[in-house]
Amino acid sequence: QKEVEQNSGPLSVPEGAIASLNCTYSDRGSQSFFWYRQYSGKSPELIMFIYSNGDKEDGRFTAQLNKASQYVSLLIRDSQPSDSATYLCAVTSSNDYKLSFGAGTTVTVRA
Amino acid sequence: EPEVTQTPSHQVTQMGQEVILRCVPISNHLYFYWYRQILGQKVEFLVSFYNNEISEKSEIFDDQFSVERPDGSNFTLKIRSTKLEDSAMYFCASSDNSYSPLHFGNGTRLTVT
Repeated sequence: QKEVEQNSGPLSVPEGAIASLNCTYSDRGSQSFFWYRQYSGKSPELIMFIYSNGDKEDGRFTAQLNKASQYVSLLIRDSQPSDSATYLCAVTSSNDYKLSFGAGTTVTVRA
Repeated sequence: EPEVTQTPSHQVTQMGQEVILRCVPISNHLYFYWYRQILGQKVEFLVSFYNNEISEKSEIFDDQFSVERPDGSNFTLKIRSTKLEDSAMYFCASSDNSYSPLHFGNGTRLTVT
C-alpha cells in the first residue's frame, strides 16, 4: 500500500523561528510532491510543489526533496501566527493520477 | 485568479437518501477529482476523471458512488443511498495535467442523519 507519513505534531514554534516539517513516502517511483496548508474547516491550499531533488524556495517557504531517501520536507522561515495550520504532504503515485495525502502536521506559532 | 467552486457548502440528508454534490472546475483544466475528509482524519482520494471517463477510483468509491460531467462545465458526485459513515467534507479538485498541482474547491460538508 502506498503511504505518505508525517509527524502529526503538534509542532509549536515561537514567532520568528523556523518551523521544520518532514514527510516520507513509500512509492519509490513517485514524481510529484506537494505541500498544502489547511486551516480548520477549510480546504487544502497549495503552498509549494517540487519535482526534482534539491531545494526550492518561495518566499518564506523552502521545500527539500531527496528521492533516494524518499523524503520531502518543508521549512517555514520567520514563522508568523497566521502560519498556524495543518500542513499536508501529498505525493503523486508513479502509475496513476491519484494524489495521496499524509495525515498532516499541525503547527502552532506562538506570538 | 480562477477557482474551483462547489455547491452547496453544507448538505444535510437522511440515511438512505440520494445526494448530488456539484462542482465547477477551473475552465481550462482537464483532470477532475473528488476527495473526502472525515472529521479529524486525512484527506482521502475517491476518484479521478479525465476525457469523460473515470481514470482511477479508490476502494471507498463503491457502487453507491458515481460521477458525471453532464455539460462541459459541471462535475458532479452522486451518492445513491447515503450512510451515516458518508458524513464528511467532500472536496472537488482540478488540474491541467496529471502531474500538476491540484486546485481544491471550498468543499461541501455532508451530514447524514
